[in-house]
Amino acid sequence: GAVVSQHPSRVICKSGTSVKIECRSLDFQATTMFWYRQFPKQSLMLMATSNEGSKATYEQGVEKDKFLINHASLTLSTLTVTSAHPEDSSFYICSAPRQASYEQYFGPGTRLTVT
Amino acid sequence: AQTVTQSQPEMSVQEAETVTLSCTYDTSESDYYLFWYKQPPSRQMILVIRQEAYKQQNATENRFSVNFQKAAKSFSLKISDSQLGDAAMYFCAYRSVLLEYGNKLVFGAGTILRVKS
Repeated sequence: GAVVSQHPSRVICKSGTSVKIECRSLDFQATTMFWYRQFPKQSLMLMATSNEGSKATYEQGVEKDKFLINHASLTLSTLTVTSAHPEDSSFYICSAPRQASYEQYFGPGTRLTVT
Repeated sequence: AQTVTQSQPEMSVQEAETVTLSCTYDTSESDYYLFWYKQPPSRQMILVIRQEAYKQQNATENRFSVNFQKAAKSFSLKISDSQLGDAAMYFCAYRSVLLEYGNKLVFGAGTILRVKS
């Protein structure tokens, strides 16, 4: 079946540095990918929609300059957390819908810890 | 905008027993998809079951079945013969078929299911 991968699965960075998270669709092309943030025991909060070949669409309240999204190809989207601070520590999940399908495939997530 | 409500933050069930997780939603659309996702401790999201709104028949996947009440905008998940591996957080989700919403999923707050041995 279709698979979405994320890299890294876990990252620890120092406050003020930037960290990049990759999301790849492994056996299908994804013109759209979604980025979510999830705090412990809470729901997934949609941050932005990544669009191949165009700018990402951010949800209300999400800082565009803080969370940079680049959809470089039909199989790769990246989320860069710039100038990370401890409050950015969270679990980040990406997903990709398969075209002409109801199904949306989720990556395994990335746990970001900012010290 | 569509909303999804899960009113049970936590539920417990004895192994081999049956449990029902509740979900209600609000929409003005007549056609849409509804999903139940499972998120075990690994945090990998797993699709449990889906329902197309235009289908009257309730979806079933092995021990998992739904009670879809379109008029009441209710979409509950029944887990029969509960197993220890069913312990997870369960999310109800809504997806519009309208192009303007893309393929966005609207999630409920989630229900933590504990299975007692």
